[in-house]
Amino acid sequence: AQTVTQSQPEMSVQEAETVTLSCTYDTSESDYYLFWYKQPPSRQMILVIRQEAYKQQNATENRFSVNFQKAAKSFSLKISDSQLGDAAMYFCAYRSAMNRDDKIIFGKGTRLHILP
Amino acid sequence: DSGVTQTPKHLITATGQRVTLRCSPRSGDLSVYWYQQSLDQGLQFLIQYYNGEERAKGNILERFSAQQFPDLHSELNLSSLELGDSALYFCASSVGLQNEQFFGPGTRLTVL
Repeated sequence: AQTVTQSQPEMSVQEAETVTLSCTYDTSESDYYLFWYKQPPSRQMILVIRQEAYKQQNATENRFSVNFQKAAKSFSLKISDSQLGDAAMYFCAYRSAMNRDDKIIFGKGTRLHILP
Repeated sequence: DSGVTQTPKHLITATGQRVTLRCSPRSGDLSVYWYQQSLDQGLQFLIQYYNGEERAKGNILERFSAQQFPDLHSELNLSSLELGDSALYFCASSVGLQNEQFFGPGTRLTVL
């Protein structure tokens, strides 16, 4: 079974600085997707960024980028120029591209605090 | 706004009771997913329906059941409620299989 591990329950970063959230996963599949979701205090789940495992190029969305290391099964999220609105719980997530079902498997989350 | 709606937003009930959570997917989406977010278990997948048929099951308790209706809305039924069922229940929808899932705002269930 696939698992997703986020080893940092909480992190803090100064406004305008850069922060990296860590995530590792375990799978025996070769084709899958990885995601980072943001959950602000409103509790809404917001997709931040998505990476297809077959793509070697790291995904980027404005200030958000990932470092995808397939062999190491590592998928970290870098947030540049941190803003107060980035304060939220961040979930790393996995979805198989091969199975009959396409459920999302989530890590336990990292709570990110932005210090003004 | 993801386009997925869930009702009610909040639900407070007592142990042993039964509740129904409702989800309306985005227009045109055929697939509906239910997830539970609790302090103990984190975010976990419960069940998936595709075009009215059950497609996948996760760690869903036998006391819980779901269905997807011909108009594609879905309901999650929780019965014989226990304190541990208190959680945020999310519905997500996608246009098909292996497509991006869009999450609703969730239903906060409190069992007293």
